[in-house]
Amino acid sequence: DGGITQSPKYLFRKEGQNVTLSCEQNLNHDAMYWYRQDPGQGLRLIYYSQIVNDFQKGDIAEGYSVSREKKESFPLTVTSAQKNPTAFYLCASSMMGTAPAYEQYFGPGTRLTVT
Amino acid sequence: AQSVSQHNHHVILSEAASLELGCNYSYGGTVNLFWYVQYPGQHLQLLLKYFSGDPLVKGIKGFEAEFIKSKFSFNLRKPSVQWSDTAEYFCAVNARETGGFKTIFGAGTRLFVKA
Repeated sequence: DGGITQSPKYLFRKEGQNVTLSCEQNLNHDAMYWYRQDPGQGLRLIYYSQIVNDFQKGDIAEGYSVSREKKESFPLTVTSAQKNPTAFYLCASSMMGTAPAYEQYFGPGTRLTVT
Repeated sequence: AQSVSQHNHHVILSEAASLELGCNYSYGGTVNLFWYVQYPGQHLQLLLKYFSGDPLVKGIKGFEAEFIKSKFSFNLRKPSVQWSDTAEYFCAVNARETGGFKTIFGAGTRLFVKA
């Protein structure tokens, strides 16, 4: 059963701590994305990666970091520098190829609460 | 820069009512257009997409959307909603920017269908 898994579903951290959110896909997709979803603001792109060992900043990358050491995995670290880290984080993946855009497949999300 | 505007943040309908959710974007070039849906407790998933050809596209569960290039719009419609259509709906636009294609999501519209 192919898809995207994110863990954990809920995460609680104290202010000042870094936290890493997991994202794994078995769809053999080249591209992976991290979004942040806040009420009334839609999905905002944090980082994306189109190939292993390469990634690009999205619109709101400050305070976040990523790695892409394997095609299947794209973990996101929320650092203590992120001013407002409490949010719902979504991971997605898509194919790359000759078509300009493929649909994105989304994971179930991780709700991070920082107090 | 691209932007995507969804006019209604919250919509409440009775079952069997007709639905139209507005989506407008600001980009003058070639675009690829998507509607995604997030049912309560489920992953964000693709409802329908437009790349080229017939501007009236049909998606899952009886939804359709019409691309009107002159109005920069891609409104979502359903003739008769059901209670199970209660969800959040996101319009997304993919277009070429410096460095490649980029997808921007609207803020979302929460639809509640009364049984």
